[in-house]
Amino acid sequence: KQEVTQIPAALSVPEGENLVLNCSFTDSAIYNLQWFRQDPGKGLTSLLLIQSSQREQTSGRLNASLDKSSGRSTLYIAASQPGDSATYLCAVVGSQGNLIFGKGTKLSVKP
Amino acid sequence: DTAVSQTPKYLVTQMGNDKSIKCEQNLGHDTMYWYKQDSKKFLKIMFSYNNKELIINETVPNRFSPKSPDKAHLNLHINSLELGDSAVYFCASSQDPGEQFFGPGTRLTVL
Repeated sequence: KQEVTQIPAALSVPEGENLVLNCSFTDSAIYNLQWFRQDPGKGLTSLLLIQSSQREQTSGRLNASLDKSSGRSTLYIAASQPGDSATYLCAVVGSQGNLIFGKGTKLSVKP
Repeated sequence: DTAVSQTPKYLVTQMGNDKSIKCEQNLGHDTMYWYKQDSKKFLKIMFSYNNKELIINETVPNRFSPKSPDKAHLNLHINSLELGDSAVYFCASSQDPGEQFFGPGTRLTVL
């Protein structure tokens, strides 16, 4: 059974810092991996999708990497801003197409 | 021109009632999903529909029934509501097995 773990559960950094969020999964047979952002009381915003054949994806200040063999993905956020404060969710696509989520990392970027 | 929309946004009801949540996507996707986010913010798949066929159903009580009148809609009907059904329910869609896009969520409170 696929399990997704995100570390740390919470992270507080000063504005301007570069940071890394970690995601690990137990079954390397994934179709793709998706990173989301969730603001309090809001829905999920898709940030990046990495297909199983890819090693990384970039969007603006965000870079996500995928190492299927070791069951790991990282989300790198450059030059963090207070507006980046949110919960970041990692999810892998299982064999039946559904997303299997981690419990998220709650990020707080302080001005 | 919202991609994935849900109604209502908030739903407050008494135990034992029957209620429905509607979901519509205008992305032309062939697969739609329902996810539940519990009080600890953990997201878990409930159902998915592909071309009007139910393809997964994760240990969800049969009081919950998805209904898809067409490819753009996947509604969630809940019978005999219980206190434990209180949660946020998210609809999502994808062009299988690609990136999933989520609706804004429906916060269900059962009193």
